Amino acid sequence: EVHLGQSGAEVKKPGESLKIACKGSGYRFTNYWIGWVRQMPGKGLEWMGIIYPGDSDTRYSPSFKGQVTISADKSVSTAYLQWSSLKASDTAMYYCARLRFSSSWCDFDYWGQGTQVTVSS
Amino acid sequence: EIVLTQSPGTLSLSPGERATLSCRASQSVSSSYLAWYQQTPGQAPRLLIYGASSRATGIPDRFSGSGSGTDFTLTISRLEPEDFAVYYCQQYGSSPRMYTFGQGTKLEIK
Repeated sequence: EVHLGQSGAEVKKPGESLKIACKGSGYRFTNYWIGWVRQMPGKGLEWMGIIYPGDSDTRYSPSFKGQVTISADKSVSTAYLQWSSLKASDTAMYYCARLRFSSSWCDFDYWGQGTQVTVSS
Repeated sequence: EIVLTQSPGTLSLSPGERATLSCRASQSVSSSYLAWYQQTPGQAPRLLIYGASSRATGIPDRFSGSGSGTDFTLTISRLEPEDFAVYYCQQYGSSPRMYTFGQGTKLEIK
């Protein structure tokens, strides 16, 4: 069974760094892109970026490029989302999701449970 | 960059009624690359429809998707209590490479 397990909730201060994780299991981790999606409180879904763990090819939404770093360690089937200097506006729920892609479809078929990040002084 | 606009923002209906949700793209989208998701409170989104009209695994047949070009529709034929949630459409565009979501439609109990 495919499963994406995310790391636990984080409470940080502005200016601190953070790295959250998404561990895949039940499928060949290196064969599927993993995307990150932000959901701010009471708001909709925003695609942040995507990584192919097989070769670490990474693409970012223009809205998030330079603001976060996406990485992956295929040896432990885990993708990461990190910030070097958090802001209060980074407070949100962050989801990872597996991308299913072919000539006939492109969608996020499995999702992690989400990681709540709270940034407050 | 393609923008997806969903309407209405909120839809108030009763169980047993039919729901029709719209997703309009700012330019033509490949039907293969249009998906719908359901999100209930406190839960991660769930894939409902892919390729504009194919139901994902385990999705009841009261959910159906249709459309092409710039206009897509999600229809729920007979609302069940568990269907009251927020629904998002999402598209993939290759130039630039983006996986854009609509802003969502909240389906609430009337």
